[in-house]
Amino acid sequence: KNQVEQSPQSLIILEGKNCTLQCNYTVSPFSNLRWYKQDTGRGPVSLTIMTFSENTKSNGRYTATLDADTKQSSLHITASQLSDSASYICVVKDRGSTLGRLYFGRGTQLTVWP
Amino acid sequence: EADIYQTPRYLVIGTGKKITLECSQTMGHDKMYWYQQDPGMELHLIHYSYGVNSTEKGDLSSESTVSRIRTEHFPLTLESARPSHTSQYLCASSVQRGSSYNEQFFGPGTRLTVL
Repeated sequence: KNQVEQSPQSLIILEGKNCTLQCNYTVSPFSNLRWYKQDTGRGPVSLTIMTFSENTKSNGRYTATLDADTKQSSLHITASQLSDSASYICVVKDRGSTLGRLYFGRGTQLTVWP
Repeated sequence: EADIYQTPRYLVIGTGKKITLECSQTMGHDKMYWYQQDPGMELHLIHYSYGVNSTEKGDLSSESTVSRIRTEHFPLTLESARPSHTSQYLCASSVQRGSSYNEQFFGPGTRLTVL
């Protein structure tokens, strides 16, 4: 069964600290992996998209890594800011269908305290 | 930057009412999607469209219906709302990026509460 599991479920850190969010997936055949940021009451916004051949991709203070062999990804946030408080969702796309289905994790709820 | 709009943003309505959630995008994307999301849970695809006059049901069974008469417009309708329909509804559209992937852009969502 294709699944995406994220950990931790929630995380509280102090402003200025770094943190790492984890994503494990079983989706196969794999096409790409995305990390989204979803503010409360808003739609998800794309942070990074990585294909099979990409090991790491950065977007400002966000750095995502992908290990396609172990089917794991991480999102590292550097020097956290209050505005980073949000849910971070890992999404994996398969390439087994014309639509290319997306499998969503439940997200990690990050809270940054001043 | 994505230009995808949803109205209303919040809707509280009584059981049995007919409602339509609006979704529009100005990017000319062919593919559009409706997702349902409950608090703390993953997004579930309920409808999608490849283009005008093309609509399909998604993974999650839904009593809602959709239509795609114009490229930019993808409304979702509930003929008779029930409390079990209370949820957040997210609309998205996508564009193909080269041969690697298509990128989805999400609207702000409609939070529906059925009393």
